[in-house]
Amino acid sequence: QKEVEQNSGPLSVPEGAIASLNCTYSDRGSQSFFWYRQYSGKSPELIMSIYSNGDKEDGRFTAQLNKASQYVSLLIRDSQPSDSATYLCAVFYGNEKLTFGTGTRLTIIP
Amino acid sequence: NAGVTQTPKFRILKIGQSMTLQCTQDMNHNYMYWYRQDPGMGLKLIYYSVGAGITDKGEVPNGYNVSRSTTEDFPLRLELAAPSQTSVYFCASSYSLLAGGPQTDTQYFGPGTRLTVL
Repeated sequence: QKEVEQNSGPLSVPEGAIASLNCTYSDRGSQSFFWYRQYSGKSPELIMSIYSNGDKEDGRFTAQLNKASQYVSLLIRDSQPSDSATYLCAVFYGNEKLTFGTGTRLTIIP
Repeated sequence: NAGVTQTPKFRILKIGQSMTLQCTQDMNHNYMYWYRQDPGMGLKLIYYSVGAGITDKGEVPNGYNVSRSTTEDFPLRLELAAPSQTSVYFCASSYSLLAGGPQTDTQYFGPGTRLTVL
């Protein structure tokens, strides 16, 4: 069974610091990787996608992918209280479906 | 564009009752999905559809049924509700490449339906 693993947290980070979220996946054939943010009581929203090895930056967010290690991470620079949410890692295995991790709860401490 | 809409927002059912959760998208997406999310857990795929008239089971399909008669609508039917079906249900849609394509496009989620079965 294809799996996506995340540390459930909670992860507490001081305001202004870098938050680092990690995700591992089980299948080397995975093709696409996504980070979704979910505020409490709300639906998930996509914040980053990454398809090839290396880093991808978008504003304060950087996604990092290492296919050899089966590892994808999300860095949030200059963390803000509004970044407090659950972050879901999702992996596309090429079978028309995304597999989601259980999410990491992030709290930014003012 | 309204995006993905779901009704109702909240519902309480008694054990053994049935109901249909409605989902509509106006983005002309070919792929649609139903997920459930239990407290503190990730998203579990119930059913999905790659186009009108085509549906397939996900990870947790038991106790549910779906249909896809149009591109826009993808209702989820619960028959004989059980307490184990208490959850938040999310519908999502995306425009994906045909099977065999290298990647899926972004999945857009509806606001969710919070269902309690007592």
